[in-house]
Amino acid sequence: DTEVTQTPKHLVMGMTNKKSLKCEQHMGHRAMYWYKQKAKKPPELMFVYSYEKLSINESVPSRFSPECPNSSLLNLHLHALQPEDSALYLCATRDRLGEQYFGPGTRLTVT
Amino acid sequence: AQSVTQLGSHVSVSEGALVLLRCNYSSSVPPYLFWYVQYPNQGLQLLLKYTSAATLVKGINGFEAEFKKSETSFHLTKPSAHMSDAAEYFCAVSADGNNRLAFGKGNQVVVIP
Repeated sequence: DTEVTQTPKHLVMGMTNKKSLKCEQHMGHRAMYWYKQKAKKPPELMFVYSYEKLSINESVPSRFSPECPNSSLLNLHLHALQPEDSALYLCATRDRLGEQYFGPGTRLTVT
Repeated sequence: AQSVTQLGSHVSVSEGALVLLRCNYSSSVPPYLFWYVQYPNQGLQLLLKYTSAATLVKGINGFEAEFKKSETSFHLTKPSAHMSDAAEYFCAVSADGNNRLAFGKGNQVVVIP
C-alpha cells in the first residue's frame, strides 16, 4: 500500500465549530506532516511528527491542534478558525530517503 | 538553510514542444532534490528525485532532470508537451536534519494546442 488517504475531501465549517481532519498511511513511514496550501502557492509546513512525537511546530496558532494516535494515523483538530484559514490541507509521510508522499488533501472552507 | 528558486510563475508551451522548467537550489550540504506535480484540487505527486546517485534522473510521464552541482541547478525537461502536462510544478530541496522540504514558488504550465 503506497497511498496516503485523507478524510474528509471537503469541509465547510463555521468559526465557532470544532472539526477534525484525518490522515492515514500503511507504508510504515515514521515521519508524518501537515501542510497548509493556499491557491497558486507552495505548501507551507505546519507540523511534523517523528515516531509519533511532535518534532516541529512552525509557530502555528493554537486553534490548530495536531495529534498522532499511532504510527498510521495523524489528526488535525480545528477550533475557532478564521476565514483566512480556508485552504487545502495536505498530509504527507516521509521515507528514509527523504521522499515525501502526499495525500489528496482536504479542502477547508471557513464561513 | 536550504532554498529553491523557480523563475517565471507561468510557463506557456505549445503541444509537442519542449518543456523546460528551471530550478536552482541553495544548500550547505549535499541536497536531495525533488520535482512534484499538482493537478487542480489534488495533492502533490512525485515526478522524479535526485538522491546522490545518477545525475540524470528519469521520472514518470516522460520527464527528466539533470543535477548540475557546478550550476546548483536541477532543471526539469520533457521533449514533447502533451495537453495532460498542464499543471502546477514544484521543485523542492531537502538537506537539513529536520526533514523539511523547502519548496520553490511553483510553475503553472499551460499547454497551447
